[in-house]
Amino acid sequence: DIQLTQSPSTLSASVGDRVSITCRASQNIGSWLAWYQQKPGKAPKFLIYKASSLESGVPSRLSGSGSGTEFTLTISSLQPDDFATYYCQQYESYSTFGQGTKLEIK
Amino acid sequence: QVQLQESGPGLVKPSETLSLTCTVSGYSIANGHFWGWIRQPPGKGLEWIGSIFQSGYVSYNPSLQSRVTISVFTSKNQFSLKLTSVTAADTAMYYCARVALGTSSYFDYWGQGTLVTVSS
Repeated sequence: DIQLTQSPSTLSASVGDRVSITCRASQNIGSWLAWYQQKPGKAPKFLIYKASSLESGVPSRLSGSGSGTEFTLTISSLQPDDFATYYCQQYESYSTFGQGTKLEIK
Repeated sequence: QVQLQESGPGLVKPSETLSLTCTVSGYSIANGHFWGWIRQPPGKGLEWIGSIFQSGYVSYNPSLQSRVTISVFTSKNQFSLKLTSVTAADTAMYYCARVALGTSSYFDYWGQGTLVTVSS
C-alpha cells in the first residue's frame, strides 16, 4: 500500500509568514493528492485536489504543487484562521492519509 | 448543500460489532457518487475504512477488509458501517463523507463525526 509522510510534524509560525508543508509518497501517485485542514473538534475541511487545484471558496493564499512522489502545500501569508492541522491524502490506489502537520502560533 | 450526519452507539464492548449509520440530506445517494467512512483515533491521523456506490459496489481498506461491511439504503438516503470483533484500537471518531469523483478520490463533504469508544 502507498504510504504518505508529512514534514514537519509541527510547524511554529507567525501571522504574515510564508510556510510550506511537504508530503512524500512511497511510490509515484501522479497528481492524485488532496489536502485538508482540520481544527480541534471539527471534521476535516477539503482544500485542494489533484495536487494543485483549489476547491471553490478556499483562499488564494493557499496553494498546492508537486507530482509523482513529492508535494507541497504553501500558505503565502498566514492568517489567524490558518492555524490548524493539515493532512495530505493520496487517491491513486485506494486512499491513505499522511500523519498530519500541526501549524501552531509562534 | 450536501449534509451528512452520523448516528449510532457511542460505546461498544470489546469483541462486539460496531454499527453506525450516515444520513445524507441535500443530495440523493441514488444520483451517484461513492460514499465513504473514515476514522480518527483520539489525537491521531485519519484512516480510510471503505466506500460504497449506490449500486452496492464497495471498496474496502485491505487492512480492515475482513471485519468491515458497508451497505447502502437508497430509499432512506443512508449508508451504514459495521465493524466486527472490535478492540480498544477501534476507539475513534468515525466520519462519513462523500467521495467527490469515482471509486477512489478525495472527500468533498464530511459529517461532523461520532465518537465510538470500545470498552467493557
